[in-house]
Amino acid sequence: RKEVEQDPGPFNVPEGATVAFNCTYSNSASQSFFWYRQDCRKEPKLLMSVYSSGNEDGRFTAQLNRASQYISLLIRDSKLSDSATYLCVPQIFGNEKLTFGTGTRLTIIP
Amino acid sequence: GAVVSQHPSRVICKSGTSVKIECRSLDFQATTMFWYRQFPKQSLMLMATSNEGSKATYEQGVEKDKFLINHASLTLSTLTVTSAHPEDSSFYICSAIPGTGSYEQYFGPGTRLTVT
Repeated sequence: RKEVEQDPGPFNVPEGATVAFNCTYSNSASQSFFWYRQDCRKEPKLLMSVYSSGNEDGRFTAQLNRASQYISLLIRDSKLSDSATYLCVPQIFGNEKLTFGTGTRLTIIP
Repeated sequence: GAVVSQHPSRVICKSGTSVKIECRSLDFQATTMFWYRQFPKQSLMLMATSNEGSKATYEQGVEKDKFLINHASLTLSTLTVTSAHPEDSSFYICSAIPGTGSYEQYFGPGTRLTVT
């Protein structure tokens, strides 16, 4: 089983719609979780950090289910600028390393 | 704050030559830097962890003699791809962790290497 699994998509979503991605992780020692977004040919940029059951920041909500070992990212009122690849990244407590998922490709359609 | 730069942003070299990529933390001291590689439509794969003043720790399957890493100061790490081959063509990204107890990684803009 892969350490991090994400639906690669692509998700093609009309502007203004709500979209959700799921990510499963295999290492139960993972304590911190991050969602990064990566634009084509660019470096990943941190979108959200999740340390407890969830986090909300504006239109973005992340939820963590430790029992089932998955985290989700919800984007409301999607905008054209949300088009990117979203990377799920769990981190084991005390370990500096990050393990990146393959990412979910999102395209917002006008 | 927390800006990381990479140089060059893109490089084209001939097969058999060596290429050096620099990663600098511009406004903080980085006790640890990481080097990743990303092939098209694939995820970032960690190549090595670089700690200032000590030898880098390489991930399984990454040849340490081919990918030379030097972390000579708290603001600079270099990755040298020796005897590059076309299969080394990839997007190389570094990240850095400030020595403040936080594990948040700050990423450089990446270097696109093309070996002809």
